[in-house]
Amino acid sequence: SQKIEQNSEALNIQEGKTATLTCNYTNYSPAYLQWYRQDPGRGPVFLLLIRENEKEKRKERLKVTFDTTLKQSLFHITASQPADSATYLCAPWANTDKLIFGTGTRLQVFP
Amino acid sequence: DTGVSQDPRHKITKRGQNVTFRCDPISEHNRLYWYRQTLGQGPEFLTYFQNEAQLEKSRLLSDRFSAERPKGSFSTLEIQRTEQGDSAMYLCASDALQGTGELFFGEGSRLTVL
Repeated sequence: SQKIEQNSEALNIQEGKTATLTCNYTNYSPAYLQWYRQDPGRGPVFLLLIRENEKEKRKERLKVTFDTTLKQSLFHITASQPADSATYLCAPWANTDKLIFGTGTRLQVFP
Repeated sequence: DTGVSQDPRHKITKRGQNVTFRCDPISEHNRLYWYRQTLGQGPEFLTYFQNEAQLEKSRLLSDRFSAERPKGSFSTLEIQRTEQGDSAMYLCASDALQGTGELFFGEGSRLTVL
């Protein structure tokens, strides 16, 4: 069955460093992959979408890579700030009408 | 446009009671989704509508759950005979059929079943 894996352990990093979050998927071939941010008690908010024919996508301090051979996406936040502290969800989409989410990774950026 | 709105934001109920949640999507969006999220987990798909037609339901959606979107605008999710295991955040999202693929979520309705 389709499986999406994100590191369930929280990632703690110091302000100013680069945070790297991983999303691995198995048993399907997504045409694109999305990343969302979720703050406690709030709904997810869309950040970036990367297509299968794109290796890398950037938006301000965010960078996403998509390796269809490794079945993996990496999500980077450069020059991280305490305001970046949140849970980040990945959602690979594979020709279905619904988006399936990973469990999310909680990022904590401390001063 | 004010985005996706959900009501109520919080609901506390006793086991066995019925509860209903409402979702108002972004007005031009013809697709509407319901997800459920428990602590430490990602959103789990429950069901989705295209206009007024309910096109898919997850196996998670037991017969105690029913969702409607009568006029293709707002949607309701009803849970009958609630159980403690129904305690979760119920999230609604919408998008346009010919959109970018991005889902727009509401702030969720948190259900606590005592």
